[in-house]
Parts: sequence; structure tokens; C-alpha cells
Amino acid sequence: DAKTTQPPSMDCAEGRAANLPCNHSTISGNEYVYWYRQIHSQGPQYIIHGLKNNETNEMASLIITEDRKSSTLILPHATLRDTAVYYCIVSTSYNTDKLIFGTGTRLQVFP
Amino acid sequence: ETGVTQTPRHLVMGMTNKKSLKCEQHLGHNAMYWYKQSAKKPLELMFVYSLEERVENNSVPSRFSPECPNSSHLFLHLHTLQPEDSALYLCASSQEVAIANYGYTFGSGTRLTVV
Repeated sequence: DAKTTQPPSMDCAEGRAANLPCNHSTISGNEYVYWYRQIHSQGPQYIIHGLKNNETNEMASLIITEDRKSSTLILPHATLRDTAVYYCIVSTSYNTDKLIFGTGTRLQVFP
Repeated sequence: ETGVTQTPRHLVMGMTNKKSLKCEQHLGHNAMYWYKQSAKKPLELMFVYSLEERVENNSVPSRFSPECPNSSHLFLHLHTLQPEDSALYLCASSQEVAIANYGYTFGSGTRLTVV
């Protein structure tokens, strides 16, 4: 079962920041937060992951609350090509753990 | 190109047919996975292979038969499928059987329609 809760859908204007929330109130100390996205009819694409600290890469920023019970994925300047389903996943990096996807947030970027 | 290639991209088959899906990765990864994505449902993990050995089978019906001849190739053999098996079948690979630092790399999938 997915261990995260995400809103089913969000809209964002092109050029604005898209802030996608994720609740993971039962996260344990050794679990990472991973974000993937899936553009229509394609395979999911890795975006970013983090454990405790905020992370940034060329695609996005990940803000994790101090208690680690929630996080936010930030796309700083959304484009139409960012329209996709975004999945927040928590899991360890142990070899018995796998990526289990929930239903994600469908982000629609509009002109 | 993601480094994980799936063929064919689209497949239509009858319920009495036998077909195979192919997945190939050139990333030097040791683990490969099959996922199924039905309409309006989350991705479902079907099989996990590590170093060509199946390490997980998530209660998948026997009409789906995976094969991993080497660490770069993964097949999903299909026979006597049902219309409800119509879905997007995704292959993924990772460095090890663990999420590790960069997670999984997915292929673009095979859109299967059973008629």
C-alpha cells in the first residue's frame, strides 16, 4: 500500500511555481521521499529524492518538513511540458524494498 | 531515450495468441522489473529480477511468464490473456534491487490490447 497522500489534481499557470504537497505522516527514520512523474502514456521519470534535508536539482526542489511528515515538490517555473502525474513515494533503500506507486497528483499547466 | 528500451510500443493480440514483450537496458543495472498500469489505476509491481534471478512475483497469474536471460534483457511472455489484461506494461531497471540513490529508470512501455 502507498504510504503517502496527495491531492488528486492541481492547476498551475505557465511560468509560475508549481508546489505539489505530499503527506507521509507514518514515515520512518530510514525512509526516503522520492518523487517521480509520468507524462501521458510514457514511463515514470525520476525527479528528486531526499531524506531529511531540502534538496535541489536541475528539475525541481524538494522541501521536507522538520518532522518529516510532509514534503513539497517545487517546480520553480512550470512549463506546458510539466503537465503530468506526479508521484510521491516513501521507501527505504534496502534491498527488500521497492517502488510502490499511489495515485499521484495530476498537474495541469495552462498557458 | 531513457536507456531502457521496450518493444513493441503497441500490441494487439487475441485471447488465444502467444506474444512476448521485450525490455533491454544499457545502463549496467543489475535489477529489472515489470509493472502493469491499467486505466485509472496505480502502477502495479509484477515481477522483480536481480542478477537474472527472479526475486519477487506479486501473485501474477501464470498466463504472464517472465524471463531474464541476462542482466540486460527481460521478457514477458503472454499466452491466453483476457481483455482485462489490456494495459500499459512498463519495464524498469535499477543499479541493485533497492531504490538506491537514483531510483528506477523506466522504459516507455508497451500498450497492450487484448481482443
